[in-house]
Amino acid sequence: GQSLEQPSEVTAVEGAIVQINCTYQTSGFYGLSWYQQHDGGAPTFLSYNGLDGLEETGRFSSFLSRSDSYGYLLLQELQMKDSASYFCAVRDNNNDMRFGAGTRLTVKP
Amino acid sequence: KAGVTQTPRYLIKTRGQQVTLSCSPISGHRSVSWYQQTPGQGLQFLFEYFSETQRNKGNFPGRFSGRQFSNSRSEMNVSTLELGDSALYLCASSLGGVMETQYFGPGTRLLVL
Repeated sequence: GQSLEQPSEVTAVEGAIVQINCTYQTSGFYGLSWYQQHDGGAPTFLSYNGLDGLEETGRFSSFLSRSDSYGYLLLQELQMKDSASYFCAVRDNNNDMRFGAGTRLTVKP
Repeated sequence: KAGVTQTPRYLIKTRGQQVTLSCSPISGHRSVSWYQQTPGQGLQFLFEYFSETQRNKGNFPGRFSGRQFSNSRSEMNVSTLELGDSALYLCASSLGGVMETQYFGPGTRLLVL
């Protein structure tokens, strides 16, 4: 079957670094994306990895290993406003966008 | 550039009724995808429309349908509502390429009583 697995919850303190992992099993693969969603808000795009390696965008970085069907989102210098749910997503060979169940990140002072 | 808009934002219906939700994509975007979001299931893909044609469909019953108009605006319809249809319905627009970023609207929160 097709699935994306990510932890349901992560807690960290301000200024810390947190890594959210995502493992996927899909029929076909067109890259791994990450989205952020604050409570009551819409998901917003954070990053995309089409090839293996690390992509860095400010405090956020995302990594992909296609051979391991694994990726992660790395958030550095955590701020309170980073408290949100984070979703990994894969587009499969049917061109369907499949999302993980989401990781709820709580940043504490 | 204006973002994705969805109407209505909130809706209360009773079992057995039908509902139509609307989505206006970002200007120039030709692809509109619909998702159902519930606390336990995350975002579930419903369908995608591109240039007025349904390009993909998720694993939802036939009670869920949609369409796209020539101006790329899209509607989704749910007939014979069930309690389990209570959810946040999100639409997302993109230029339409496989690796294009999706831009989400604020969603329509549907409550079925």
